[in-house]
Amino acid sequence: KAGVTQTPRYLIKTRGQQVTLSCSPISGHRSVSWYQQTPGQGLQFLFEYFSETQRNKGNFPGRFSGRQFSNSRSEMNVSTLELGDSALYLCASSLELPSPLHFGNGTRLTVT
Amino acid sequence: AQSVAQPEDQVNVAEGNPLTVKCTYSVSGNPYLFWYVQYPNRGLQFLLKYITGDNLVKGSYGFEAEFNKSQTSFHLKKPSALVSDSALYFCAYNFNKFYFGSGTKLNVKP
Repeated sequence: KAGVTQTPRYLIKTRGQQVTLSCSPISGHRSVSWYQQTPGQGLQFLFEYFSETQRNKGNFPGRFSGRQFSNSRSEMNVSTLELGDSALYLCASSLELPSPLHFGNGTRLTVT
Repeated sequence: AQSVAQPEDQVNVAEGNPLTVKCTYSVSGNPYLFWYVQYPNRGLQFLLKYITGDNLVKGSYGFEAEFNKSQTSFHLKKPSALVSDSALYFCAYNFNKFYFGSGTKLNVKP
């Protein structure tokens, strides 16, 4: 079974630009979650989608948004990028909780 | 507030020695507890979970964890450490969504 796939693996953007990250979950997984990982803040929960509906949301500004498609694939968008948005963005999929999360290898975003 | 805590930023152990990575939780009700490992530039990999039942949980790569309700702990253990176990380890609990600890860097020296 293919794992969670995140594209692209690396991104370099300039302040003020916007970016879209993509995540393809494991087949059959309907829950997709997004996390931001930075050395200083650790793993921060962004949001979770289940069957195209946002089920949970973390404490991030409105510049961070996401969506899930009918095939469970998910995208997250960050608008008006700031230097502090530089991070590893991780996507995870799962069966209905409390099944474990299965993570992709992340997208490394660098904002200059 | 519900949370998990990893009191040690870093743990150093010699290859062949037993290792312990600590995790304590503050969760109301019955917690669903997990351990994950992260290698450089990779996502997190699931190691093991405690949902209910036996307090000693066995997981991947020879790791195990002991759920201790009286001490509200869920320490990760391995009888004999390998250099390849060197990585970042996260404890997590699930209550509607996942909450992760701050992570512990494990260094296993040859």
